[in-house]
Amino acid sequence: EIVLTQSPGTLSLSPGERATLSCRASQSVSSSYLAWYQQKPGQAPRLLIYGASSRATGIPDRFSGSGSGTDFTLTISRLEPEDFAVYYCQQYGSSPRITFGQGTRLEIK
Amino acid sequence: QVQLQESGPGLVKPSETLSLTCTVSGGSVSSGSYYWSWIRQPPGKGLEWIGYIYYSGSTNYNPSLKSRVTISVDTSKNQFSLKLSSVTAADTAVYYCARLHVVVAATTYYYYGMDVWGQGTTVTVSS
Repeated sequence: EIVLTQSPGTLSLSPGERATLSCRASQSVSSSYLAWYQQKPGQAPRLLIYGASSRATGIPDRFSGSGSGTDFTLTISRLEPEDFAVYYCQQYGSSPRITFGQGTRLEIK
Repeated sequence: QVQLQESGPGLVKPSETLSLTCTVSGGSVSSGSYYWSWIRQPPGKGLEWIGYIYYSGSTNYNPSLKSRVTISVDTSKNQFSLKLSSVTAADTAVYYCARLHVVVAATTYYYYGMDVWGQGTTVTVSS
């Protein structure tokens, strides 16, 4: 089973700052099969990034993804107030076919 | 645009079977590029994938839940459903249905993520 470990658990930043979120896999993950989601309180998750670096439809270009192998990163270049939320990485491929990281909470400093 | 809506009882007794349905609108559950998924989120915790189904009826389940899970599809109603048997308090969660976009070309899978989600429905297991 591939385990995804996200760090940090909580990230405290101010609007306008740059956020860097990490997702580390216990085994190599094809970059084609790595996605990122944003979840706000009381809402369903929203797809941000698929294929490690491709933005989903309607996602602002301040969101970017990168990485390969076992290390992946979600970067938010300049934080907007609406970006404070919980972020999950997800892999598709090995059994279980889909796993999520435990999440990183991005909070306002 | 495609929308998903979960429905089903909000309260289930321990040892009974949880049953939820996801209705697809604005699109077809028979579309060939999508796997119809169930995901859950216990209170204050992260996301757990339960399983998915293809319109043909082919399924894939999380091994941790496989012995208790059945996902089915009804193309005539444009719905897919989840049954989770022998529930306990640990199954209390918000249950989401979602569309997983995967394109298969020859033997290669192209993964585009879970791009449409339902709003979620809270299921509490309690007597």
